[in-house]
Amino acid sequence: EVQLVESGGDLVQPGGSLRLSCVVSGFTVNNKDMTWVRQAPGKGLEWVSVIYTRGETKYADSVKGRFTISRDKAMNTLYLEMNSLKSEDTALYYCVKYDDCSGGSCYSYGWFDLWGQGTLVTVSS
Amino acid sequence: DIQMTQSPPSLSASVGDRVTITCRASQTISTYLNWYQQKPGKPPKLLIYVTSSLQSGAPSRFSGSASATDFTLTISSLQPEDSATYYCQQSYDIPWTFGQGTKVEIK
Repeated sequence: EVQLVESGGDLVQPGGSLRLSCVVSGFTVNNKDMTWVRQAPGKGLEWVSVIYTRGETKYADSVKGRFTISRDKAMNTLYLEMNSLKSEDTALYYCVKYDDCSGGSCYSYGWFDLWGQGTLVTVSS
Repeated sequence: DIQMTQSPPSLSASVGDRVTITCRASQTISTYLNWYQQKPGKPPKLLIYVTSSLQSGAPSRFSGSASATDFTLTISSLQPEDSATYYCQQSYDIPWTFGQGTKVEIK
């Protein structure tokens, strides 16, 4: 079964650190572009970071320099290392697969086609 | 950054009604606009990709269209299970951005 299962969310103090994990089943994490998307309580969706199959990474300005996305092929797991956490980082963090091919057709840019259930990060003193 | 402006923020409609949600991009994004449905306590689910392609498994009453930088999600005949919040999202340029969401309620 193709699925994404996140873990690692917790209550952490401002300035603290946390590492989120996303175990991938049904495909190899290195063979797909993978992202993190977050949702603050009662709010909308915000893209956080992407790691492409070629290894290149991109970040939203709000987390650049503080968060690091990575992956482990042997563990088939995606990670998000979060440092210098702020109260505004409080959110449900989703691990999401990004794809740009469907039904035999491929496009220049893609979409988020598989979402995990999310893991909650709360930053508070 | 490309801003995505969704309207209306919420709507209430009856079963069987035709419902339209609009998303306007602050600059050209070609056809790289996707739509997601999110029900309470659940992750978002992809409905429509690249403006008008229906995701596998999504009901055929959902459709998407565009005119320049204005994009539309249409539910041809609203069903009780369509009660949810809908988000548009552009993938044309990083940072990938979402609209603020439209909450659809059933009268």
